[in-house]
Amino acid sequence: GAVVSQHPSWVICKSGTSVKIECRSLDFQATTMFWYRQFPKQSLMLMATSNEGSKATYEQGVEKDKFLINHASLTLSTLTVTSAHPEDSSFYICSAGRTSYEQYFGPGTRLTVT
Amino acid sequence: QQQVKQSPQSLIVQKGGISIINCAYENTAFDYFPWYQQFPGKGPALLIAIRPDVSEKKEGRFTISFNKSAKQFSLHIMDSQPGDSATYFCAASKRGGADGLTFGKGTHLIIQP
Repeated sequence: GAVVSQHPSWVICKSGTSVKIECRSLDFQATTMFWYRQFPKQSLMLMATSNEGSKATYEQGVEKDKFLINHASLTLSTLTVTSAHPEDSSFYICSAGRTSYEQYFGPGTRLTVT
Repeated sequence: QQQVKQSPQSLIVQKGGISIINCAYENTAFDYFPWYQQFPGKGPALLIAIRPDVSEKKEGRFTISFNKSAKQFSLHIMDSQPGDSATYFCAASKRGGADGLTFGKGTHLIIQP
């Protein structure tokens, strides 16, 4: 159990366009989902916390108007990168809380902005 | 400010040996400490986690040792195997793990056959 999926796994987009990434908890309900960003050979950095039915909480330095997060249901959260630029190219990973303390990660989405 | 410091950055261990990775934290509000394993191009996988009311936790070949007074915790991998070669991250969270995770910088572990 505790499977989290992400779609797409890899996406290439042109500068100035928007990209939506989906995160789903497949076999459990998650009231809280988290979005992280990971640059090559670096650690994961928390971007935002997403709670079902409420606005996301963004970490300091993360532009909320650029990274739109929607947590529409207990099994789905989406991250939309708006007006993407090459510096937004990164590995985006979501996690979902199965219990009050265990976070399970999705396989990640590699975004390349050309 | 790096809230979770992890060492070493890279580690080479012979097959069958013990791999030891250390982490130290600064924020005393942290109360949940998980370890994750990540393979290239994949998401992190939860290995084992501990809370500060316990000094040690063992699951199979993986053991976490926790020293609350020193604000340090470590991962021991017993009988290390080539399949354990991966990047390992320690992390910390507040509110019993309900908050987002603060990660260490990671340790690239290589198990030599």
